Amino acid sequence: EVQLVESGGGLVQPGGSLRLSCAAFGFTFNDYWMNWVRQIPGGGLEWVANIKYDGSEKYYVDSVKGRFTIARDNTENSVYLQMNSLRADDTAVYYCARDSAWRSGWSYYFDNWGQGTLVTVSS
Amino acid sequence: DIQMTQSPSTLSASVGDRVTITCRASQTINNWLAWYQQRPGKVPKLLIYGASTLESGVPSRFSGSGSGTEFILTISSLQPGDFATYYCQQYANYPRTFGQGTKVETK
Repeated sequence: EVQLVESGGGLVQPGGSLRLSCAAFGFTFNDYWMNWVRQIPGGGLEWVANIKYDGSEKYYVDSVKGRFTIARDNTENSVYLQMNSLRADDTAVYYCARDSAWRSGWSYYFDNWGQGTLVTVSS
Repeated sequence: DIQMTQSPSTLSASVGDRVTITCRASQTINNWLAWYQQRPGKVPKLLIYGASTLESGVPSRFSGSGSGTEFILTISSLQPGDFATYYCQQYANYPRTFGQGTKVETK
């Protein structure tokens, strides 16, 4: 059974940093693209970033470019999101989501999601 | 960026009703579209990909159609567990984008 477990969320002041982690279980981690998707409480979904199965390609939504960095450690079966220069509008539940793409040059849709970790940016 | 627009934003229906939700893309995405269901307080769940392919384990009352810029999610006979918010998502281009969601509520 695929399982994704996020951690690292919390309360941070504007301008601060947080590092989210997602531990993966139940599948061959280094075969899949991985994504971060966020959701404002009571709001819609926004894709944030993804990373290719071998870490060689990374993509971001414009609003986080230059502030967030996605990374993965295939020896630890984990994906990370380093978030710097946080703003109030980054407040959201952050989900780790496995991409359906298996050893593909392109990423697709999200077939498994973690439970999410809440990030609150406030003074 | 490709903008995804869903209609309606809210839909009131009863158990047994046939429900349709529309998703329009601001440019063609061929059939690179997925649908998700999010029950209150729960994580999004993949229902359909490739515009019309049902994910394994998803009941056959769910179906998807469309190509290009216009897509439809149909629930043939609404069940109690189907009251939820539904999102479409395109994966033709970066950034990946979602529709704003359609909430299916009890009439």
